[in-house]
Amino acid sequence: GQQLNQSPQSMFIQEGEDVSMNCTSSSIFNTWLWYKQDPGEGPVLLIALYKAGELTSNGRLTAQFGITRKDSFLNISASIPSDVGIYFCAGLTPNNAGNMLTFGGGTRLMVKP
Amino acid sequence: DTEVTQTPKHLVMGMTNKKSLKCEQHMGHRAMYWYKQKAKKPPELMFVYSYEKLSINESVPSRFSPECPNSSLLNLHLHALQPEDSALYLCASSQTGTGYFSPLHFGNGTRLTVT
Repeated sequence: GQQLNQSPQSMFIQEGEDVSMNCTSSSIFNTWLWYKQDPGEGPVLLIALYKAGELTSNGRLTAQFGITRKDSFLNISASIPSDVGIYFCAGLTPNNAGNMLTFGGGTRLMVKP
Repeated sequence: DTEVTQTPKHLVMGMTNKKSLKCEQHMGHRAMYWYKQKAKKPPELMFVYSYEKLSINESVPSRFSPECPNSSLLNLHLHALQPEDSALYLCASSQTGTGYFSPLHFGNGTRLTVT
């Protein structure tokens, strides 16, 4: 099925460094979501973006909804070891049959202490 | 802690066994979902229930049989599975409807191994 283009696929960084990842789509989405998944766990919602151009922060995380509604980025400042995991972007399409998510391929983040 | 609870956390079953995965949420969400996730891949949608009725079946083989007994519970019945069905099975819930831009909330999944 359709998948968003998420980059980079993986990152190996030093603790304390800032991280940036992004997603692009050929389709417009009215809502962009960022999830983090730890090994053996389910995805956890980090940030939800509802308006084009919106910039939202959650602690050390900052995400923006692109003005064209076809892209989004996530920044993590001052990374720490517990930031390790896989980050997924997702575009959400509301529907009476259920809200449909289109996922990016994921960014695997590894942090070196 | 996740507000979507899945049991069991791990399951090992033979190809002739019958087993069930269970999911429960008490957030008042009226849409519930089953996803399958292979290692290093994003989750793939299997089924959606909206207001306790099956609304979407993503061409899933009949050896997977979903059930929604009420608005808080979702089951996935498994029978005659294949080794390639081994994966992490995730349940999720959300509000639903064209006016609800409601994110999905995921459980921690059941790690299924088919031997």
